Amino acid sequence: TQLLKQSPQFLSIQEGENLTVYCNSSSVFSSLQWYRQEPGEGPVLLVTVVTGGEVKKLKRLTFQFGDARKDSSLHITAAQPGDTGLYLCAGLTSTSGTYKYIFGTGTRLKVLA
Amino acid sequence: GAVVSQHPSRVICKSGTSVKIECRSLDFQATTMFWYRQFPKQSLMLMATSNEGSKATYEQGVEKDKFLINHASLTLSTLTVTSAHPEDSSFYICSASSPGIMYQETQYFGPGTRLLVL
Repeated sequence: TQLLKQSPQFLSIQEGENLTVYCNSSSVFSSLQWYRQEPGEGPVLLVTVVTGGEVKKLKRLTFQFGDARKDSSLHITAAQPGDTGLYLCAGLTSTSGTYKYIFGTGTRLKVLA
Repeated sequence: GAVVSQHPSRVICKSGTSVKIECRSLDFQATTMFWYRQFPKQSLMLMATSNEGSKATYEQGVEKDKFLINHASLTLSTLTVTSAHPEDSSFYICSASSPGIMYQETQYFGPGTRLLVL
């Protein structure tokens, strides 16, 4: 069974602080996506990383895909209360022409004003 | 961006009844739709992968006779929870995907359906 473990599980920080969320697996993924989910809503895609070692930036968010495509990190600079939510990584796997996404265990972030 | 709708958004039913949840891609054709289940304060768990015109592929541990999935068209997939029990109460989310650049297939999520079985 492929597992994606995220750490930390919970994080509560003050506005303006920096933080990093990790997504680790023993499996190799074709690509990896990061989502943010608000309570009672579906996840919203933040970014897709495809190439090992790839780094993508989205305003104050920096995403990195590990060289071996087994792990990824999300770094938020100067966190704001609007960043509060559940952050999920999801790895894309494919076999015999079909594909599916395996979601990580999730990181619940709360940014205090 | 692509829009996916789910109906109903909330449903309360009695134990033993069946509930149908619809997932529609509104402005694109989805060759593949995924059904997820999410318990409170937990991550998404993939239940099944649904391809238009073929039988759904269920994940290990998901009862295919209890969770019936039909993907009759490129814009509609349905999940029917048969003989629902209180332990089936959960947040059910669908996503729709269309062919894209290799390894960058994007899935677009619906808003979810909260099911409460009394």
